[in-house]
Amino acid sequence: DAGVIQSPRHEVTEMGQEVTLRCKPISGHNSLFWYRQTMMRGLELLIYFNNNVPIDDSGMPEDRFSAKMPNASFSTLKIQPSEPRDSAVYFCASSSTLGHNQPQHFGDGTRLSIL
Amino acid sequence: DQQVKQNSPSLSVQEGRISILNCDYTNSMFDYFLWYKKYPAEGPTFLISISSIKDKNEDGRFTVFLNKSAKHLSLHIVPSQPGDSAVYFCAASAKNTGNQFYFGTGTSLTVIP
Repeated sequence: DAGVIQSPRHEVTEMGQEVTLRCKPISGHNSLFWYRQTMMRGLELLIYFNNNVPIDDSGMPEDRFSAKMPNASFSTLKIQPSEPRDSAVYFCASSSTLGHNQPQHFGDGTRLSIL
Repeated sequence: DQQVKQNSPSLSVQEGRISILNCDYTNSMFDYFLWYKKYPAEGPTFLISISSIKDKNEDGRFTVFLNKSAKHLSLHIVPSQPGDSAVYFCAASAKNTGNQFYFGTGTSLTVIP
């Protein structure tokens, strides 16, 4: 079975450029989560969706960050303009139901480097 | 503030021995706890979970213990195998935090053959 698929796996770009990260959740999962991992803060939840609707975006650090889920099988996380401090590994995760006691299944992440 | 803490950044254990990874939390409302394992260049993989109505959950070589009064949980791996070498994250959630999982910063386990 296909797990959560993220693309690209690596992204290197210059400061000020727009960055778009992509995620395909596990088929049938209706909750999707975007996380950022840094050495300083570990894994932080940025935003999550249920049935394609954003439920909580309080973790999005700034207005430069935005996320969309146009359908059940695709989500994007966009940073515009990007800054060096955005460099991190970004993970997408999905779960089968919306509930605090359901494991989330993670993709392999996008390693983002902003020069 | 970190609501879930893993105070040991690394741990080394001989193959065949027990590995014990520890996790502390501060929010008494947390009622669901999980452990994830992460290999380099891969995403975290769900390993085992426990609800606050239990104090122990076992799955093969992996057992999670929960001590609610101490706000402490631990993961025991017996016997440890070289393939268990990875970073282990604990996470916690509560009904009143929606779907937010709070993750620790991870413990890197090395199992020495």
